[in-house]
Amino acid sequence: GQNIDQPTEMTATEGAIVQINCTYQTSGFNGLFWYQQHAGEAPTFLSYNVLDGLEEKGRFSSFLSRSKGYSYLLLKELQMKDSASYLCAVGFSNDYKLSFGAGTTVTVRA
Amino acid sequence: NAGVMQNPRHLVRRRGQEARLRCSPMKGHSHVYWYRQLPEEGLKFMVYLQKENIIDESGMPKERFSAEFPKEGPSILRIQQVVRGDSAAYFCASSPRGGADNEQFFGPGTRLTVL
Repeated sequence: GQNIDQPTEMTATEGAIVQINCTYQTSGFNGLFWYQQHAGEAPTFLSYNVLDGLEEKGRFSSFLSRSKGYSYLLLKELQMKDSASYLCAVGFSNDYKLSFGAGTTVTVRA
Repeated sequence: NAGVMQNPRHLVRRRGQEARLRCSPMKGHSHVYWYRQLPEEGLKFMVYLQKENIIDESGMPKERFSAEFPKEGPSILRIQQVVRGDSAAYFCASSPRGGADNEQFFGPGTRLTVL
């Protein structure tokens, strides 16, 4: 399998910024997804990066460096409802499935 | 515009029984993926199907597990003679096209508990 690494847990206060890093093997890389998963619910799509650079969508941004095998998800102006698990998932060439990291549990405190 | 549907949401089985998990993809999606999620672990790919065809089952255990996606009706993940280690959340995802560069839309999952 492919090694997709991300931190296990992060804690931040309401209104703050948190950056969740994800590293992966670069060989055969096709694209990278970020999903949000609240406890007991389905993962929901946040972003998809194929090219190097930063993609911004409101309070959430995602960055990719293909040569370094590195991505991050940036959550700004944190709200309590952002407490969830954030999953990094990579697609590889000539493959159908997504390879997921174990997820980063973000806890937002008042 | 219903999303991916899975049922049941929760399933309890005793060791040795059979578990049948159902997944109806989003309207217009003919590609279905099954993933398993153990506590504190990421989603692990099991099988990828198109209508009536299994395309990739490399993540599925060779014994006791099977999957189908008939021409009519939902996709079914079947686990025979369940054991305690099968307890997990099973997620189904669908996409309009194949390939890992397409967004996969996830269902709410079925949480299987084996007693």
